[in-house]
Amino acid sequence: DTAVSQTPKYLVTQMGNDKSIKCEQNLGHDTMYWYKQDSKKFLKIMFSYNNKELIINETVPNRFSPKSPDKAHLNLHINSLELGDSAVYFCASSQSGPSFRANTEAFFGQGTRLTVV
Amino acid sequence: AQSVTQPDIHITVSEGASLELRCNYSYGATPYLFWYVQSPGQGLQLLLKYFSGDTLVQGIKGFEAEFKRSQSSFNLRKPSVHWSDAAEYFCAVGARGYSTLTFGKGTMLLVS
Repeated sequence: DTAVSQTPKYLVTQMGNDKSIKCEQNLGHDTMYWYKQDSKKFLKIMFSYNNKELIINETVPNRFSPKSPDKAHLNLHINSLELGDSAVYFCASSQSGPSFRANTEAFFGQGTRLTVV
Repeated sequence: AQSVTQPDIHITVSEGASLELRCNYSYGATPYLFWYVQSPGQGLQLLLKYFSGDTLVQGIKGFEAEFKRSQSSFNLRKPSVHWSDAAEYFCAVGARGYSTLTFGKGTMLLVS
């Protein structure tokens, strides 16, 4: 049973296209995230959602639009893809509580390798 | 804002030898500290974490880490490295009140 699953694992697309990456967690967590790992393996937070509400948006272009239909899902839609969007995108989840007093570990998905050509 | 520094980009260790990966953090209060491992083409797996209490924490796969507040460090250690430990290792810090992680740039471990 996969705790955090992302689809697809690989995505190759042309510049200008619109694509989505899906993420689902079956851990019952209330917080989900998207991280981006660039070509130098540097990981950086993009978005964080708690109970379907956006709580963190780290200066990500508005071509990126996360959507959380319920607290078990956090999808990432990207419009007008650019070459610089090529990266590995990781979804993660954690149980943080309503006031984030307890910072528990995040569980990560396997990543989606996006290549824009 | 918090930050994490992993000063070693690559480390090569002989199989059976001991390992220490360095991690320094910058944060104004007591941080929450994590070590994750990423095998090639894989996601991130948590090795261990420090929230409070005993400063020496044990993790999976025989890893341990020690939190040293005076040095702002959280170095990862293993007494005897196996070839299967070859991977990228990330140190991360989380802050009370926030649930996102700030990662270091990673250290690639090569086992010879």
